[in-house]
Amino acid sequence: AQTIHQWPVAEIKAVGSPLSLGCTIKGKSSPNLYWYWQATGGTLQQLFYSITVGQVESVVQLNLSASRPKDDQFILSTEKLLLSHSGFYLCAWSQGAGDERLFFGHGTKLSVL
Amino acid sequence: AQKVTQTQTSISVMEKTTVTMDCVYETQDSSYFLFWYKQTASGEIVFLIRQDSYKKENATVGHYSLNFQKPKSSIGLIITATQIEDSAVYFCAMREAGTGGYKVVFGSGTRLLVSP
Repeated sequence: AQTIHQWPVAEIKAVGSPLSLGCTIKGKSSPNLYWYWQATGGTLQQLFYSITVGQVESVVQLNLSASRPKDDQFILSTEKLLLSHSGFYLCAWSQGAGDERLFFGHGTKLSVL
Repeated sequence: AQKVTQTQTSISVMEKTTVTMDCVYETQDSSYFLFWYKQTASGEIVFLIRQDSYKKENATVGHYSLNFQKPKSSIGLIITATQIEDSAVYFCAMREAGTGGYKVVFGSGTRLLVSP
Protein backbone atom coordinates (compact mmCIF):
# COMPACT_ATOMS: atom_id res chain seq x y z
CA ALA A 1 0.00 0.00 0.00
CA GLN A 2 1.11 3.53 -0.71
CA THR A 3 1.88 5.90 2.12
CA ILE A 4 2.60 9.60 2.17
CA HIS A 5 4.52 11.23 4.98
CA GLN A 6 4.91 14.95 5.53
CA TRP A 7 7.34 16.64 7.86
CA PRO A 8 7.33 18.50 10.13
CA VAL A 9 3.83 18.32 11.55
CA ALA A 10 4.00 21.94 12.65
CA GLU A 11 6.43 24.82 12.56
CA ILE A 12 6.61 28.20 14.24
CA LYS A 13 9.03 30.48 12.41
CA ALA A 14 10.06 34.10 12.46
CA VAL A 15 9.49 36.47 9.55
CA GLY A 16 12.56 36.49 7.34
CA SER A 17 13.76 33.05 8.38
CA PRO A 18 14.19 30.14 5.94
CA LEU A 19 11.80 27.22 5.61
CA SER A 20 11.96 23.69 4.32
CA LEU A 21 9.00 21.30 4.29
CA GLY A 22 9.18 17.76 3.04
CA CYS A 23 7.04 14.99 1.69
CA THR A 24 7.85 11.34 0.94
CA ILE A 25 5.71 8.83 -0.92
CA LYS A 26 6.34 5.14 -0.44
CA GLY A 27 4.95 2.24 -2.40
CA LYS A 28 4.40 4.07 -5.68
CA SER A 29 6.95 4.63 -8.40
CA SER A 30 6.91 7.82 -10.46
CA PRO A 31 3.92 9.47 -8.81
CA ASN A 32 2.71 12.90 -9.82
CA LEU A 33 3.36 15.18 -6.86
CA TYR A 34 1.67 18.37 -5.73
CA TRP A 35 2.00 21.09 -3.08
CA TYR A 36 -1.10 22.89 -1.84
CA TRP A 37 -1.53 25.77 0.59
CA GLN A 38 -4.60 26.40 2.67
CA ALA A 39 -5.28 29.53 4.71
CA THR A 40 -7.29 28.95 7.88
CA GLY A 41 -10.85 28.23 6.81
CA GLY A 42 -9.92 28.69 3.19
CA THR A 43 -9.74 26.80 -0.05
CA LEU A 44 -6.84 24.71 -1.33
CA GLN A 45 -4.49 26.67 -3.53
CA GLN A 46 -2.19 24.63 -5.72
CA LEU A 47 1.40 25.85 -5.56
CA PHE A 48 3.49 23.37 -7.55
CA TYR A 49 3.31 20.07 -9.33
CA SER A 50 5.91 17.61 -10.55
CA ILE A 51 5.52 14.70 -12.92
CA THR A 52 9.12 13.52 -12.86
CA VAL A 53 12.34 13.77 -10.88
CA GLY A 54 14.06 17.12 -11.22
CA GLN A 55 11.11 18.75 -12.94
CA VAL A 56 8.80 21.10 -11.04
CA GLU A 57 6.18 23.47 -12.41
CA SER A 58 4.94 26.52 -10.52
CA VAL A 59 1.24 27.28 -10.51
CA VAL A 60 1.23 30.49 -8.46
CA GLN A 61 3.95 32.84 -7.30
CA LEU A 62 4.12 33.08 -3.53
CA ASN A 63 7.87 33.53 -3.01
CA LEU A 64 8.21 29.80 -2.51
CA SER A 65 10.16 27.20 -4.43
CA ALA A 66 9.90 23.45 -4.77
CA SER A 67 12.21 20.67 -5.78
CA ARG A 68 11.98 16.95 -6.45
CA PRO A 69 15.42 15.54 -5.71
CA LYS A 70 14.25 11.92 -5.73
CA ASP A 71 11.36 10.06 -7.31
CA ASP A 72 9.61 9.75 -3.95
CA GLN A 73 10.49 13.11 -2.40
CA PHE A 74 9.07 16.60 -2.80
CA ILE A 75 10.49 19.62 -0.98
CA LEU A 76 8.94 23.06 -0.47
CA SER A 77 11.18 25.88 0.63
CA THR A 78 11.90 29.57 0.86
CA GLU A 79 14.88 31.59 2.02
CA LYS A 80 12.80 34.31 3.61
CA LEU A 81 9.39 33.76 5.18
CA LEU A 82 6.61 36.34 5.06
CA LEU A 83 3.66 36.66 7.42
CA SER A 84 1.43 35.68 4.49
CA HIS A 85 3.10 32.27 4.33
CA SER A 86 1.26 31.17 7.45
CA GLY A 87 -1.23 28.40 6.86
CA PHE A 88 -1.56 24.71 6.21
CA TYR A 89 0.68 23.05 3.63
CA LEU A 90 -0.43 19.83 2.04
CA CYS A 91 1.50 17.47 -0.16
CA ALA A 92 -0.45 15.15 -2.45
CA TRP A 93 0.20 12.50 -5.07
CA SER A 94 -1.72 10.97 -7.92
CA GLN A 95 -1.11 7.90 -10.04
CA GLY A 96 -1.80 9.55 -13.36
CA ALA A 97 -2.59 7.30 -16.34
CA GLY A 98 -6.30 7.93 -16.01
CA ASP A 99 -6.49 7.77 -12.22
CA GLU A 100 -6.66 11.43 -11.31
CA ARG A 101 -7.53 11.14 -7.63
CA LEU A 102 -5.35 13.11 -5.25
CA PHE A 103 -4.09 11.45 -2.07
CA PHE A 104 -3.07 13.94 0.57
CA GLY A 105 -0.57 13.87 3.38
CA HIS A 106 -1.59 14.99 6.85
CA GLY A 107 -0.18 18.46 6.25
CA THR A 108 2.15 20.88 8.00
CA LYS A 109 0.77 23.77 10.00
CA LEU A 110 3.03 26.79 9.61
CA SER A 111 2.82 29.85 11.81
CA VAL A 112 4.97 32.82 10.84
CA LEU A 113 5.39 35.37 13.59
CA ALA B 1 -9.14 29.59 -17.02
CA GLN B 2 -10.75 26.94 -14.92
CA LYS B 3 -12.85 27.94 -11.95
CA VAL B 4 -14.89 26.11 -9.31
CA THR B 5 -17.58 27.80 -7.21
CA GLN B 6 -19.29 26.53 -4.09
CA THR B 7 -21.84 29.07 -2.90
CA GLN B 8 -23.01 27.25 0.22
CA THR B 9 -20.71 28.23 3.08
CA SER B 10 -22.31 25.90 5.61
CA ILE B 11 -25.20 23.48 5.92
CA SER B 12 -26.76 21.99 9.04
CA VAL B 13 -28.85 18.82 8.88
CA MET B 14 -30.26 16.23 11.22
CA GLU B 15 -28.76 12.78 11.28
CA LYS B 16 -30.16 10.23 8.82
CA THR B 17 -31.43 12.87 6.40
CA THR B 18 -30.24 13.58 2.86
CA VAL B 19 -28.15 16.63 2.00
CA THR B 20 -27.11 18.12 -1.33
CA MET B 21 -24.08 20.34 -1.79
CA ASP B 22 -23.81 22.50 -4.87
CA CYS B 23 -20.84 23.12 -7.13
CA VAL B 24 -20.56 24.87 -10.49
CA TYR B 25 -17.46 24.99 -12.64
CA GLU B 26 -16.02 26.83 -15.60
CA THR B 27 -13.72 25.34 -18.19
CA GLN B 28 -12.78 25.76 -21.82
CA ASP B 29 -11.78 22.12 -22.07
CA SER B 30 -14.16 19.58 -23.60
CA SER B 31 -12.78 16.84 -21.38
CA TYR B 32 -12.32 17.17 -17.64
CA PHE B 33 -12.61 15.39 -14.33
CA LEU B 34 -14.69 16.48 -11.35
CA PHE B 35 -14.06 15.41 -7.76
CA TRP B 36 -15.37 15.79 -4.26
CA TYR B 37 -13.06 15.68 -1.26
CA LYS B 38 -13.77 15.75 2.46
CA GLN B 39 -11.63 17.54 5.05
CA THR B 40 -12.14 16.42 8.63
CA ALA B 41 -11.59 18.51 11.74
CA SER B 42 -8.07 17.10 12.05
CA GLY B 43 -7.22 18.56 8.64
CA GLU B 44 -7.09 15.23 6.86
CA ILE B 45 -8.34 15.38 3.27
CA VAL B 46 -9.78 12.29 1.62
CA PHE B 47 -11.09 11.61 -1.85
CA LEU B 48 -14.79 10.74 -1.97
CA ILE B 49 -16.08 10.44 -5.50
CA ARG B 50 -15.31 11.36 -9.09
CA GLN B 51 -17.18 12.13 -12.31
CA ASP B 52 -15.55 12.09 -15.75
CA SER B 53 -17.04 14.64 -18.11
CA TYR B 54 -17.68 12.14 -20.89
CA LYS B 55 -19.73 9.84 -18.68
CA LYS B 56 -23.48 10.45 -18.66
CA GLU B 57 -24.25 8.22 -15.71
CA ASN B 58 -23.97 9.83 -12.28
CA ALA B 59 -21.26 8.32 -10.09
CA THR B 60 -22.21 6.60 -6.83
CA VAL B 61 -19.96 5.36 -4.04
CA GLY B 62 -21.52 4.11 -0.82
CA HIS B 63 -23.84 6.80 0.50
CA TYR B 64 -22.30 9.44 -1.78
CA SER B 65 -23.71 10.16 -5.22
CA LEU B 66 -23.38 12.90 -7.77
CA ASN B 67 -25.88 14.96 -9.70
CA PHE B 68 -23.97 15.82 -12.87
CA GLN B 69 -25.72 18.37 -15.06
CA LYS B 70 -23.26 19.08 -17.85
CA PRO B 71 -25.33 21.75 -19.67
CA LYS B 72 -25.42 23.72 -16.41
CA SER B 73 -21.75 23.01 -15.58
CA SER B 74 -22.94 21.68 -12.27
CA ILE B 75 -21.80 18.76 -10.12
CA GLY B 76 -23.75 18.39 -6.90
CA LEU B 77 -22.80 15.98 -4.12
CA ILE B 78 -25.64 14.08 -2.47
CA ILE B 79 -25.13 12.35 0.86
CA THR B 80 -27.95 10.05 1.89
CA ALA B 81 -28.61 8.80 5.42
CA THR B 82 -26.14 11.28 6.90
CA GLN B 83 -24.17 10.30 9.98
CA ILE B 84 -22.54 12.40 12.68
CA GLU B 85 -19.14 11.52 11.27
CA ASP B 86 -20.09 13.12 7.95
CA SER B 87 -19.58 16.48 9.66
CA ALA B 88 -16.67 18.02 7.77
CA VAL B 89 -15.79 20.50 5.05
CA TYR B 90 -16.50 19.28 1.54
CA PHE B 91 -14.52 20.54 -1.43
CA CYS B 92 -15.43 20.29 -5.09
CA ALA B 93 -12.48 20.16 -7.50
CA MET B 94 -11.84 20.04 -11.22
CA ARG B 95 -8.97 18.91 -13.37
CA GLU B 96 -8.84 19.53 -17.09
CA ALA B 97 -7.68 16.70 -19.33
CA GLY B 98 -5.81 18.95 -21.72
CA THR B 99 -2.44 20.64 -21.51
CA GLY B 100 -3.27 22.05 -18.07
CA GLY B 101 -4.07 18.61 -16.79
CA TYR B 102 -1.85 18.82 -13.76
CA LYS B 103 -3.63 21.84 -12.38
CA VAL B 104 -6.40 20.88 -9.97
CA VAL B 105 -8.64 23.74 -8.91
CA PHE B 106 -10.69 23.55 -5.71
CA GLY B 107 -13.83 25.38 -4.65
CA SER B 108 -14.05 27.30 -1.40
CA GLY B 109 -15.68 24.43 0.47
CA THR B 110 -18.98 23.78 2.21
CA ARG B 111 -19.02 23.02 5.93
CA LEU B 112 -21.52 20.31 6.83
CA LEU B 113 -22.75 19.88 10.39
CA VAL B 114 -24.78 16.76 11.13
CA SER B 115 -26.66 16.84 14.42
CA PRO B 116 -28.22 13.93 16.34
